Amino acid sequence: DTGVSQDPRHKITKRGQNVTFRCDPISEHNRLYWYRQTLGQGPEFLTYFQNEAQLEKSRLLSDRFSAERPKGSFSTLEIQRTEQGDSAMYLCAIPGATNEKLFFGSGTQLSVL
Amino acid sequence: SQQGEEDPQALSIQEGENATMNCSYKTSINNLQWYRQNSGRGLVHLILIRSNEREKHSGRLRVTLDTSKKSSSLLITASRAADTASYFCGIPPGDSSYKLIFGSGTRLLVRP
Repeated sequence: DTGVSQDPRHKITKRGQNVTFRCDPISEHNRLYWYRQTLGQGPEFLTYFQNEAQLEKSRLLSDRFSAERPKGSFSTLEIQRTEQGDSAMYLCAIPGATNEKLFFGSGTQLSVL
Repeated sequence: SQQGEEDPQALSIQEGENATMNCSYKTSINNLQWYRQNSGRGLVHLILIRSNEREKHSGRLRVTLDTSKKSSSLLITASRAADTASYFCGIPPGDSSYKLIFGSGTRLLVRP
């Protein structure tokens, strides 16, 4: 148990549909990160939050993507008008006590048909 | 870019053998971390080595860091079939974000 729960574990959707993923850290931490991982590649940074403030967004995060962390605890990542290229594993992570190592959730595997 | 690049991309060994994988990076770092990922799962932190450390051990894992060559290696001794996974090095970019930048990883297959 990494202390990060992600839901759903798998999502299959048709191109053009909207999808939303949720990340729930079991313990409170002021930082939360989203990564995307395509097959055979390493995780790519998407965005991170300091409490409820979204402080950095990668250029990978097009305007179809939006992330929120309304109360500084759980976070949601929404993709609007999904494209086949959005098919990937979406990973959420929180740092450890010293803000160095990351603890990842099991991810949400998105397949866009 | 601070991105680490792992080498080799794939490694296949027999159970009991040692596995060595390498990570190279481009600029100065405060620390370098190794992670493991089983298929379809999230990454799991293995070990962190700081820039002022040259070697670190954790169980069957041995990590070295050569800041002059900007490279690190992860050695898994006496490998087991359960070590089959992808291994990534993660590097903090040195700003205040504390995020990690990962390479493409080494896919390790340990044959029973």
